[in-house]
Amino acid sequence: SQTIHQWPATLVQPVGSPLSLECTVEGTSNPNLYWYRQAAGRGLQLLFYSVGIGQISSEVPQNLSASRPQDRQFILSSKKLLLSDSGFYLCAWSVLQGPYGYTFGSGTRLTVV
Amino acid sequence: AQTVTQSQPEMSVQEAETVTLSCTYDTSESNYYLFWYKQPPSRQMILVIRQEAYKQQNATENRFSVNFQKAAKSFSLKISDSQLGDTAMYFCASMTSGTYKYIFGTGTRLKVLA
Repeated sequence: SQTIHQWPATLVQPVGSPLSLECTVEGTSNPNLYWYRQAAGRGLQLLFYSVGIGQISSEVPQNLSASRPQDRQFILSSKKLLLSDSGFYLCAWSVLQGPYGYTFGSGTRLTVV
Repeated sequence: AQTVTQSQPEMSVQEAETVTLSCTYDTSESNYYLFWYKQPPSRQMILVIRQEAYKQQNATENRFSVNFQKAAKSFSLKISDSQLGDTAMYFCASMTSGTYKYIFGTGTRLKVLA
């Protein structure tokens, strides 16, 4: 069966520090991978998506970047965190477009202090 | 641009009762999909139900059903026989066929009361 792992679950980082959040998928090949951010009182905002190794599409210009070094690994990074980067980050995967839906990871709560 | 609107930030329902969560969307596309996701306190997003826009029949999954009104661009979720475990944030989402992206609403926080 397919599973998605996301870590860490919670993270407190000082302003200006780097960030690396990792997401891996098991049990499938060539998944579409996504990073979403959920700010308090808001819906989910798509940050990045990837349809293959090294292929990254950015939806919102910001302080973050994403990379996909392996087929089932998706990394969200920042060189210098801002207070506004605080939020709940969700990784997700899907096999195909269409009515199949995403499978989400368990999320990372990031607090920038 | 596509938009999804959930006008009810919070709702509550008594256990075993029925509740309906509202969602409206706006799209110029003819082929799209609609979804309801549940996010319990654990924060894990769980797919509840999905609907293809070209299907007239409303989707049903056990106690969960939708009322899809395509002309009105409305996609409401009905939860029957509410259970305490239904307490969660519920998100409505749309996806245009041929794209990879959901557009999410801002969510409705549902509390089921004992």
